[in-house]
Amino acid sequence: GESVGLHLPTLSVQEGDNSIINCAYSNSASDYFIWYKQESGKGPQFIIDIRSNMDKRQGQRVTVLLNKTVKHLSLQIAATQPGDSAVYFCAENNEGGADGLTFGKGTHLIIQP
Amino acid sequence: DAGVIQSPRHEVTEMGQEVTLRCKPISGHNSLFWYRQTMMRGLELLIYFNNNVPIDDSGMPEDRFSAKMPNASFSTLKIQPSEPRDSAVYFCASSRGRARTQYFGPGTRLLVL
Repeated sequence: GESVGLHLPTLSVQEGDNSIINCAYSNSASDYFIWYKQESGKGPQFIIDIRSNMDKRQGQRVTVLLNKTVKHLSLQIAATQPGDSAVYFCAENNEGGADGLTFGKGTHLIIQP
Repeated sequence: DAGVIQSPRHEVTEMGQEVTLRCKPISGHNSLFWYRQTMMRGLELLIYFNNNVPIDDSGMPEDRFSAKMPNASFSTLKIQPSEPRDSAVYFCASSRGRARTQYFGPGTRLLVL
């Protein structure tokens, strides 16, 4: 079946550096994408979303890029901080489909001091 | 404002026992989702409700699982009888209207011995 998957299970970066977390999706009908952050022992926390009519969206220290041609999504975190350590999930949805989100398996971001 | 509230936060039970998980969505949200998270399968949608009506329960693993939403501020997920393979973290999420951003609760960590 179609799914959302992540390229790298673990990403280690130095504090203060920029992080890029990647996500590939296979459902060409997906038109809405979300990034969630999950800290240990907590539920997924909404970070940023993007619709398929956009290719870039910026938030506070975060940017999401969408490349529909290659079905690729990325999350960029600027000047990473220790509090950014978490597992990051991409999720997708399409308006014509079920309302539930389909999640990727997650990338564990580790911030080195 | 209070987010999604789940109880209990932790549950340890023995195989064969009935387990009931509870969720209170964010006030004003009319869609409610139950997810299960395991290391092997990641985050999976079990069932979701819209305006208290179950819309899609195709993710419910077996007849041992059932969910109800008697009113707009309360939902339950019941497992009867429970089995060790049901051990997981169960999340409830809610969203407002046609908005597709879902907000997650802290989860219930279930261990079936």
